Amino acid sequence: SAVISQKPSRDICQRGTSLTIQCQVDSQVTMMFWYRQQPGQSLTLIATANQGSEATYESGFVIDKFPISRPNLTFSTLTVSNMSPEDSSIYLCSVDQGQSSSGANVLTFGAGSRLTVL
Amino acid sequence: GQQVMQIPQYQHVQEGEDFTTYCNSSTTLSNIQWYKQRPGGHPVFLIQLVKSGEVKKQKRLTFQFGEAKKNSSLHITATQTTDVGTYFCAGSTGADMRFGAGTRLTVKP
Repeated sequence: SAVISQKPSRDICQRGTSLTIQCQVDSQVTMMFWYRQQPGQSLTLIATANQGSEATYESGFVIDKFPISRPNLTFSTLTVSNMSPEDSSIYLCSVDQGQSSSGANVLTFGAGSRLTVL
Repeated sequence: GQQVMQIPQYQHVQEGEDFTTYCNSSTTLSNIQWYKQRPGGHPVFLIQLVKSGEVKKQKRLTFQFGEAKKNSSLHITATQTTDVGTYFCAGSTGADMRFGAGTRLTVKP
């Protein structure tokens, strides 16, 4: 399965600032996914990043708050803009491992970026 | 929309005891996946179930998919301290996949 490098692994940020998280995959992948995991909570899909087109955002997430870049098939970035303490979470990128026989995505996750907003 | 409910939220067991987590969907699923997240780690894929009534085993772990494809369970026999972590189910309807809330398992040696 793909190996994902995600950075930063953690950061402490000030309210009102923005932070960009990078995700590098060791192989070309069509879709990359960005998830948020709030402390002690489940995983919520923020958006799906496709190379060559705009990201597709899930309900409750907007491009102005979480702009995403996907310049090529091995790299993506997620920016958390104008941060507030409510944005304190772990942000995870993931890719489809391609093991599914039913069309669903079987995911490999990066190690995550733990953001604390003061 | 689709919802995936998972219980219990927490489970604390003595080493050697069995453990089960249950996942229920409001809609019929095309497949269900299970992931494990160790403390401080990221989710790691364990298995995928596709067929109605399917049962799969991985050593001490047994995964079941209900006949109606609306529920699933993960059972661990004789837990070990290495089983500690949060177990998530993720149910899919087509391309839409939703994670359950997870069951956090702690094991007392």
